[in-house]
Amino acid sequence: AQKITQTQPGMFVQEKEAVTLDCTYDTSDQSYGLFWYKQPSSGEMIFLIYQGSYDEQNATEGRYSLNFQKARKSANLVISASQLGDSAMYFCAMRVNNAGNMLTFGGGTRLMVKP
Amino acid sequence: DADVTQTPRNRITKTGKRIMLECSQTKGHDRMYWYRQDPGLGLRLIYYSFDVKDINKGEISDGYSVSRQAQAKFSLSLESAIPNQTALYFCATSVQSGPHNEQFFGPGTRLTVL
Repeated sequence: AQKITQTQPGMFVQEKEAVTLDCTYDTSDQSYGLFWYKQPSSGEMIFLIYQGSYDEQNATEGRYSLNFQKARKSANLVISASQLGDSAMYFCAMRVNNAGNMLTFGGGTRLMVKP
Repeated sequence: DADVTQTPRNRITKTGKRIMLECSQTKGHDRMYWYRQDPGLGLRLIYYSFDVKDINKGEISDGYSVSRQAQAKFSLSLESAIPNQTALYFCATSVQSGPHNEQFFGPGTRLTVL
């Protein structure tokens, strides 16, 4: 079975600073994908970034980057130059590639950006 | 824009009532999913469907049923609602293959069972 752990229920960051949201995962499969989603207060789920287990380079998408440490089974999200609009819940999720396209989600981290 | 829509967006009902939540998509995706979100637990998969004739139970299917009426429509039913089914429900879609196979989520349905 797969498991995603997000150990930070809530975090504060000062506007314009960088912040790292932690995610560790557990799977015995070698082929998998890791996702981060953002959920603002309006409730929708917004896809941010993806990292494949065989990708050699860390994924980046604009101000988002994924610090992928395969041996440690961690996939931390780094947000650079935080903005007030980054205040939201953030979910880490994993897909095991031989199990269809189902996602297993972590419990989420609430990020609050201070002006 | 191609989209995933859910109806209703909010629903309050009483214990024992039958409830149907509907999901429609214009993305042309084959795969559709139903999740529920409870505080502190993230999203958990209820049912998923890879095409009209393929429906599968997810992690927490007890108390729920689904119907895939067409490629674009996937409905979730609570046959006899109970208070611990109060949650935020999401429908999602994805393609069978692609660079990321990310799932695209609808706006959610907030269900309260009294």
